[in-house]
Amino acid sequence: DIRMTQSPSSLSASVGDRVTITCRASQDISTYLNWYQQKPGKAPKLLIYDVSNLETGVPSRFSGSGSGTEFTLTIGSLQPEDFATYYCQQYDNLLELTFGGGTKVEIK
Amino acid sequence: QVQLQESGPGRVKPSEALSLTCTVSGGSISSSFWSWIRQPAGERLEWIGRIYPTGSTNFNPSLQSRVAMSLDTSKNQISLTLTSLTAADTAVYYCARDLERRPPKKRSFWYFDLWGRGTLVSVSS
Repeated sequence: DIRMTQSPSSLSASVGDRVTITCRASQDISTYLNWYQQKPGKAPKLLIYDVSNLETGVPSRFSGSGSGTEFTLTIGSLQPEDFATYYCQQYDNLLELTFGGGTKVEIK
Repeated sequence: QVQLQESGPGRVKPSEALSLTCTVSGGSISSSFWSWIRQPAGERLEWIGRIYPTGSTNFNPSLQSRVAMSLDTSKNQISLTLTSLTAADTAVYYCARDLERRPPKKRSFWYFDLWGRGTLVSVSS
């Protein structure tokens, strides 16, 4: 299987901060990577697909980049509603989709 | 607006089978692919498998021997069955629309664009 590793596993930040989350794949997955946001007790919500394409309605402060094995999700200016857990997910192997372990963004 | 709602027993005994249903409203299940995904408390999401409008399926190799999925087009429902349960199967189970988009001259994008609220399944005696 393709192992997805996120770092950090958690971080503390203040409103207005620029936040960067890293996702590493155990093998080359080209650009077949999505990002989701999950708030406590809620289902995940798609933020970005194929590395850098924002889902409709997602604020432009979210951006994604990368290819191959290393990817980043950046929140340009953290807002109160952005405190959540973020997951990356690969779809290079459509017969065994896998997610990262998550990055919890907490209020400093 | 398409919405998904999972339903199930809540608690199941070890070694028994779990049956969950995902009811889709606002759209036909025959026009999309659907996946089940689960999440043990505090852990990462785990893809269980996918069902196509034809009824064909793909399953996570780690669960393949214990899982089945089916469609009921008359009720607009997707079903999941997981057998031989253990405590490790305790999780929130989600159904999600597994969307494929085909850009020109490029491999398809695949992502989960719609999710149900999830249903908690506890495996205990």
